Amino acid sequence: NAGVTQTPKFQVLKTGQSMTLQCAQDMNHEYMSWYRQDPGMGLRLIHYSVGAGITDQGEVPNGYNVSRSTTEDFPLRLLSAAPSQTSVYFCASRRGSYNEQFFGPGTRLTVL
Amino acid sequence: TQLLEQSPQFLSIQEGENLTVYCNSSSVFSSLQWYRQEPGEGPVLLVTVVTGGEVKKLKRLTFQFGDARKDSSLHITAAQPGDTGLYLCAGAGAGTASKLTFGTGTRLQVTL
Repeated sequence: NAGVTQTPKFQVLKTGQSMTLQCAQDMNHEYMSWYRQDPGMGLRLIHYSVGAGITDQGEVPNGYNVSRSTTEDFPLRLLSAAPSQTSVYFCASRRGSYNEQFFGPGTRLTVL
Repeated sequence: TQLLEQSPQFLSIQEGENLTVYCNSSSVFSSLQWYRQEPGEGPVLLVTVVTGGEVKKLKRLTFQFGDARKDSSLHITAAQPGDTGLYLCAGAGAGTASKLTFGTGTRLQVTL
C-alpha cells in the first residue's frame, strides 16, 4: 500500500494564480482532511470529508475549495493564491473509532 | 475552540538524557494521540491513549493520559539522535466524525 500520496511536493505560485493540490489514499478510509502547517501555529484544519460526496469546512477554509467524488481522492483547490497561503499543506486519511490519522508527505507552497 | 498547549516548545539535549514533554488542555478528550514529524515529512502516529490514567510504552517512549483525560505526557528514556523531530499531541472528541485538535508541537534535538 502506498498510503497517502500528495502531489506536487513543491510549488511556487504568483499572487492570483489558481492551482489544485492532489491527494489520494489506498486504504479505503472514509474520512479525509486537509491541514496547513505554519511555524508556531501547529496543524490547522482547512476542509474535511466524511465520505464521497460529503465535505465540510474546518478552522481556516477561506480561499480554498474541495470536492470528494471518490473515496480515494480529495483534491484541494486554491482559487486565487495569496501570500498568506504560503505554507506546508498536508492531506490525511483516518481510520477507526479513535480517529488515528495517516498523513501524506506534504506540499510546500510559496506564493509570491 | 479546544486548545492544546505543549511544553516545552524547544528542547535540546545530549544523547543518553531523559526528557518529558507535556500536553495540556482545559477540555476533556475522548482519546489523545502523539505523532512525530521529521523534517520534510508528514506526522507519523506513535500512539493513541483512550482511558484516563492509561500508560503505554513504545520501546524507550512512555505515554500517559491524565486521569481526567485533559492532559498527557511523553517521557523518553536515554534519548538517541534518532529521536530528533517535532512531537505533536492531538486530542479527539467522541465519535468517528469528530475533529482532531493539534498542539503546537515540541521540537526535540538530540545531539551526540
